[in-house]
Amino acid sequence: SQQGEEDPQALSIQEGENATMNCSYKTSINNLQWYRQNSGRGLVHLILIRSNEREKHSGRLRVTLDTSKKSSSLLITASRAADTASYFCATVAIGSGNTGKLIFGQGTTLQVKP
Amino acid sequence: NAGVTQTPKFQVLKTGQSMTLQCAQDMNHNSMYWYRQDPGMGLRLIYYSASEGTTDKGEVPNGYNVSRLNKREFSLRLESAAPSQTSVYFCASSVRVRSFNEKLFFGSGTQLSVL
Repeated sequence: SQQGEEDPQALSIQEGENATMNCSYKTSINNLQWYRQNSGRGLVHLILIRSNEREKHSGRLRVTLDTSKKSSSLLITASRAADTASYFCATVAIGSGNTGKLIFGQGTTLQVKP
Repeated sequence: NAGVTQTPKFQVLKTGQSMTLQCAQDMNHNSMYWYRQDPGMGLRLIYYSASEGTTDKGEVPNGYNVSRLNKREFSLRLESAAPSQTSVYFCASSVRVRSFNEKLFFGSGTQLSVL
């Protein structure tokens, strides 16, 4: 089964509102990353947060990480129609047998209405 | 700077046919990946290569083989295609920092249909 699970699966908001999506994972991690995918395109890296970090910002993006709950959240502030896309979390697990590869969750589809 | 280049972009196969998906990166990355993406399933890892000469099975390796030809190239082969392999395939590469992978760069994808 997949390491990360995003919640909600789909989100629809008005332009200017904030969008929050969550990711839960199962095993201890080295880092957690968020990616965006526009329809029909490849994924684009948004932000990486390490296991010893609790919060990180990049422009209108804010990511939090709670390793005790094995969860992360991505907040997009003042959303724009151009933010309409699917958003995925990906984790790099640690521990025996792990070779540092990234495992993705199922994604959250965000629609921002103009 | 081309990044990650995948070929072909589209392919239609008949059940039982074979084909190889090609991937090359020009960023001198050690790690390379093959993922498949199906509706509602997110991205699932097929195979991973941490460095030239090494490969590692991912979540869904059955029916696929890979070859890390050199540091730049990582190919994915379907020996006998099945309808269940209809999907969009993505190649990616990344830098490794102290054995853990950082930011992935993705190719534009291959849309494969198996009839």
